[in-house]
Amino acid sequence: GDSVTQMEGPVTLSEEAFLTINCTYTATGYPSLFWYVQYPGEGLQLLLKATKADDKGSNKGFEATYRKETTSFHLEKGSVQVSDSAVYFCALSDTNAGKSTFGDGTTLTVKP
Amino acid sequence: GAGVSQSPSNKVTEKGKDVELRCDPISGHTALYWYRQSLGQGLEFLIYFQGNSAPDKSGLPSDRFSAERTGGSVSTLTIQRTQQEDSAVYLCASSLAGPTLFNSPLHFGNGTRLTVT
Repeated sequence: GDSVTQMEGPVTLSEEAFLTINCTYTATGYPSLFWYVQYPGEGLQLLLKATKADDKGSNKGFEATYRKETTSFHLEKGSVQVSDSAVYFCALSDTNAGKSTFGDGTTLTVKP
Repeated sequence: GAGVSQSPSNKVTEKGKDVELRCDPISGHTALYWYRQSLGQGLEFLIYFQGNSAPDKSGLPSDRFSAERTGGSVSTLTIQRTQQEDSAVYLCASSLAGPTLFNSPLHFGNGTRLTVT
């Protein structure tokens, strides 16, 4: 079946540091890939997505590139801010499975 | 437009009682999902609907859990004879996703926080 493996947290960075959160996947079909974010006290929301190999999703300074050869979708940001502190979830949606599969989430804390 | 609406937002119940959690998806969204999120944990998949059918019930933890969806819209998650380990935030999400729209993202409600005492 489908699965998503995320880098274990928690991750603590200083403001303006570079961020990478690793995500790899296995899928029976040809999936679309997503990053969702959950800010403290708020609901889950879509951060970015990519629907085919070599696509780059981007939003709010975050980027992730769909790498089919390494089955990866790592999240990156060049300079994090305190306001980026949140839980980040990698997910896939697969034609064969029909449902979305989520990773366990990575908690990011950015300190001033 | 309106997002995914869940009710109640908070529910405190005694062990052994039954509870019903409601989800109103975004109008026109054919796919509906229930997830459970325990404190400090990730998202645990419970059940997925495509229209009124549930092709995947594999995540329901036990036969005390059931869900239905009517009219391709509102869904109810029912937990019978609640136990303390059922305490969690229950999240509902909807999507346009289907066999030909699998790249459509999920839209989440704010969840129902269930506390079993």
